[in-house]
Amino acid sequence: EAGVAQSPRYKIIEKRQSVAFWCNPISGHATLYWYQQILGQGPKLLIQFQNNGVVDDSQLPKDRFSAERLKGVDSTLKIQPAKLEDSAVYLCASSFGRHNEQFFGPGTRLTVL
Amino acid sequence: AQKITQTQPGMFVQEKEAVTLDCTYDTSDQSYGLFWYKQPSSGEMIFLIYQGSYDEQNATEGRYSLNFQKARKSANLVISASQLGDSAMYFCAMSPPDENAGNMLTFGGGTRLMVKP
Repeated sequence: EAGVAQSPRYKIIEKRQSVAFWCNPISGHATLYWYQQILGQGPKLLIQFQNNGVVDDSQLPKDRFSAERLKGVDSTLKIQPAKLEDSAVYLCASSFGRHNEQFFGPGTRLTVL
Repeated sequence: AQKITQTQPGMFVQEKEAVTLDCTYDTSDQSYGLFWYKQPSSGEMIFLIYQGSYDEQNATEGRYSLNFQKARKSANLVISASQLGDSAMYFCAMSPPDENAGNMLTFGGGTRLMVKP
């Protein structure tokens, strides 16, 4: 079974530029999550989708972050414009299991200069 | 609001010995789930073990077991017979369980485990 795929793995941009991350969840997983993990901290949920609808985006900085999950499969997370404090690893996860076990992708490491 | 606390930023353990990673939590929910994830240097989060708040037995998965003490609000991870490949960051997390939809996980700050040969 293929895992959660994310691209790119690494991205370096300058502040005020835009960036987009892509996630392909495990086939059949209805729920998709985006997390932000700042170095030395645990992941923090940004947004959660159930199929193509948003379940929770209360911690998403909506003035600069946006996310969509068209057709309830792939998802993109965008930052526009980026700030220095957005430097982090962005993790995508999906779930289907009885205990809501979340399977994570390898993450995208973003560096904002 | 849910909160997870991991008080051990780093720990060493000798290869083949057992180690306990601490996790305490705070929640007003009556029903919740507790998880442990491993994050090696490659960055991917790997699910290890799950405990439901109403589960009477402590969860076990191979060399991993969860020492669940509900009254003390603790959910410590025990790794038996440590291996060099166990060196990684370990995160405790919780969520209200819902079988119909995924739920947001609240993570602790993590514990870095280093296994010595």
